[in-house]
Amino acid sequence: DAKTTQPNSMESNEEEPVHLPCNHSTISGTDYIHWYRQLPSQGPEYVIHGLTSNVNNRMASLAIAEDRKSSTLILHRATLRDAAVYYCILRDNSGAGSYQLTFGKGTKLSVIP
Amino acid sequence: DAGVIQSPRHEVTEMGQEVTLRCKPISGHNSLFWYRQTMMRGLELLIYFNNNVPIDDSGMPEDRFSAKMPNASFSTLKIQPSEPRDSAVYFCASSAGQGAYETQYFGPGTRLLVL
Repeated sequence: DAKTTQPNSMESNEEEPVHLPCNHSTISGTDYIHWYRQLPSQGPEYVIHGLTSNVNNRMASLAIAEDRKSSTLILHRATLRDAAVYYCILRDNSGAGSYQLTFGKGTKLSVIP
Repeated sequence: DAGVIQSPRHEVTEMGQEVTLRCKPISGHNSLFWYRQTMMRGLELLIYFNNNVPIDDSGMPEDRFSAKMPNASFSTLKIQPSEPRDSAVYFCASSAGQGAYETQYFGPGTRLLVL
């Protein structure tokens, strides 16, 4: 799997937007960009994914750079419930290993009341 | 839907005992995954089933670990004999398919402590 690089930790004030960056300079044309998060003492939870175009859903937005070598997860208004570890993951859709979801260390987001 | 169901939620056992973890995937999902999470190694895939058949067990640590999926609605992960280094949180996940665009849905996990 292509590797991703994320900051170890970030802080945000409650009700402010949060931009979580992810670098993936070795991404291939068939790699999907996925974001999952893990709240304390819970299992990982899907947030959003995309291939080339920016994506929006009820939880967040995903902004993908034109060259696809980086992406940013955007939480529009952080709440205390958004405090979690956020994982940026690349998944290769080209072969037999497309089921692979390889977790790195992620970014630990703290939300300050 | 109830989501992925795992049992037990917590397990404390002594070294050498057999441990069985259980998982019920989301109805209609044909892919099932077992993961383990530790502070040292993070989240790692242990085994992947597709249509009840083990496809990739390269992450299973050693012969003490075994997993089965006798039908589409049930899977077990067994550790025999258990050792203190097996202490971890074990997650089961399921998805509707195996493509890279598919979402994996995780259960709440089983927190295992081997004394």
